[in-house]
Amino acid sequence: EVQLVESGGALVKPGGSLRLTCAASGFSFSDTWMSWIRQAPGKGLEWVGRIKRMSDGGPIDYAAPVRGRFTISRDDSSNTLFLQMNSLKIEDTAVYYCSTGLGHTDNDFWGQGTLVTVSS
Amino acid sequence: DIVMIQSPEFLAVSLGERATINCKSSQSVFYSPNNRHYLGWFQQKPGQPPRLLIYGASTRAYGVPDRFSGSGSGTDFTLSISSLQAEDVAIYYCQQYVSTPPTFGPGTKVDIK
Repeated sequence: EVQLVESGGALVKPGGSLRLTCAASGFSFSDTWMSWIRQAPGKGLEWVGRIKRMSDGGPIDYAAPVRGRFTISRDDSSNTLFLQMNSLKIEDTAVYYCSTGLGHTDNDFWGQGTLVTVSS
Repeated sequence: DIVMIQSPEFLAVSLGERATINCKSSQSVFYSPNNRHYLGWFQQKPGQPPRLLIYGASTRAYGVPDRFSGSGSGTDFTLSISSLQAEDVAIYYCQQYVSTPPTFGPGTKVDIK
């Protein structure tokens, strides 16, 4: 069974940093592209970024609002996806989901999400 | 970026009746190398993550009831629920994944009339 479990969400002050983690199981993690998607309270879904398989190489893609502030990385040895968030802004407040595609879309499966609140 | 537009924003349908949601993309989401439309539909119930319902514009994901169907081509797509059930109350999002960044529509909230 595919499982994605996010953690690391917290209350942080504007300008602060936070690192989110997504623990993956039930599929071949190293063979899949992984994404982060966020949802501000009461709002729609916003793609944050995506990291390809190591074998695919190439750049990591980021949405314009987070480019230069957020960094996506992966550890295939522990089946873990990371989102390092720096210079956080109030508008980064959201539930952050990790997601993977297993042959249909980039986002066939989603975790339950972790809440990041940026407030002074 | 490809902009996705959905209509209506809110839809109330009687139990057992048909619900229809429209999605329009600002550019074609057709991927000619494999002759597929890179258009998906997701269902999100309150307090839950989104769930993939439809991919390739018209193929139901595993375990999705056959009352859900997707159709369309080019830039215009539709999600239909043939006979609305109470458990279908949710927000529905379309997404294009033919180009980066993948983009979502703003969502359509479906409720019982």
